[in-house]
Amino acid sequence: AQSVTQPDIHITVSEGASLELRCNYSYGATPYLFWYVQSPGQGLQLLLKYFSGDTLVQGIKGFEAEFKRSQSSFNLRKPSVHWSDAAEYFCAVGAENQAGTALIFGKGTTLSVSS
Amino acid sequence: ETGVTQTPRHLVMGMTNKKSLKCEQHLGHNAMYWYKQSAKKPLELMFVYSLEERVENNSVPSRFSPECPNSSHLFLHLHTLQPEDSALYLCASSPGLTGEQYFGPGTRLTVT
Repeated sequence: AQSVTQPDIHITVSEGASLELRCNYSYGATPYLFWYVQSPGQGLQLLLKYFSGDTLVQGIKGFEAEFKRSQSSFNLRKPSVHWSDAAEYFCAVGAENQAGTALIFGKGTTLSVSS
Repeated sequence: ETGVTQTPRHLVMGMTNKKSLKCEQHLGHNAMYWYKQSAKKPLELMFVYSLEERVENNSVPSRFSPECPNSSHLFLHLHTLQPEDSALYLCASSPGLTGEQYFGPGTRLTVT
């Protein structure tokens, strides 16, 4: 069965420091992978996605993620964090060619930014 | 209006009430979803509709009843809810059944 693990429940990063949020997935074939961000009281906003091709994908707000098949990982990175990046981040995996399949989400990582 | 909208944004209801949540997408997508987001739990997929037909129903109690009258609108009818149903209910849409989903802002539901 597909699953997504985000090992870090809460991370605190200083403003201006680099960020890496971890995501590991379990899926037999090549997955579709996503990162979403959720600000308090809001819905989820898509940051970036990986379907195929270049394993380093660029997203909005200066985020990028790298797909590593050998490690079953899709970690999210940002070189310099801004206070406005404080939010909850969700990694998700989607399956190909399965009718009725929707995204499977991890439990999320809460990012706090200190000044 | 653009994207995915949800109304109401906040709802407080008693256990004997009947209410409905509304979702509308302005993206021309074919698939729509209801998710439940509770504190400390991952997002739970409740229902999936593709071209107005329900294609997935994840063992959701019958007190939740979805309706998809057309590809742009999705409703979640609520009746005789329990306090544990208090949560953020998120609607999403996507071009097809796989691929990225676009979320609405959610309805914060409190059952008293």
